[in-house]
Amino acid sequence: DAGVIQSPRHEVTEMGQEVTLRCKPISGHDYLFWYRQTMMRGLELLIYFNNNVPIDDSGMPEDRFSAKMPNASFSTLKIQPSEPRDSAVYFCASSLAGAGGRYGYTFGSGTRLTVV
Amino acid sequence: GEDVEQSLFLSVREGDSSVINCTYTDSSSTYLYWYKQEPGAGLQLLTYIFSNMDMKQDQRLTVLLNKKDKHLSLRIADTQTGDSAIYFCAEGGTGGFKTIFGAGTRLFVKA
Repeated sequence: DAGVIQSPRHEVTEMGQEVTLRCKPISGHDYLFWYRQTMMRGLELLIYFNNNVPIDDSGMPEDRFSAKMPNASFSTLKIQPSEPRDSAVYFCASSLAGAGGRYGYTFGSGTRLTVV
Repeated sequence: GEDVEQSLFLSVREGDSSVINCTYTDSSSTYLYWYKQEPGAGLQLLTYIFSNMDMKQDQRLTVLLNKKDKHLSLRIADTQTGDSAIYFCAEGGTGGFKTIFGAGTRLFVKA
């Protein structure tokens, strides 16, 4: 398996624009997580899914953020409208067990978002 | 609630041992993890220890678990410049609950 695949790797956009981040989890993994990482706040869990169903979205900062998982092999995180404070690295991770199990989480390489 | 705490920075000289410490709060955690994040990359599972173990050794890595004090440590022997990274402690288990990550310890290795 190629691992968790995220696209794009880098995104630079202007304030007010819509941004869509994409993730392909590892085949067979039932859980998918979206994280945001900044120097100031560290690693923050935004939302996670189990079998394509959102389980906990309490980490989503505002209504400007939305996430979907239309099928087991694809998820999107959308920010509309984007703001400079959304600039961060966004990670997607997947796992066999919600709490990790013996294999833990597999993270993608991240999308570095810059909003100017 | 659940929480994982670790110091933010550690600096060592090349060839010395590094010890990164972590405390956690959830006594029901069945797995404790160490993840490594290199610059520009995602987190990668480095090692884990099952909660009924006290110690786990894997080449240069030694994980110690003190369940009574809820303290976890990662020792890296003969630290190399390639070990410079951020190391995340995390607690988790099985079933449908999420893994809780610490803030990460940034390890600097001086040549």
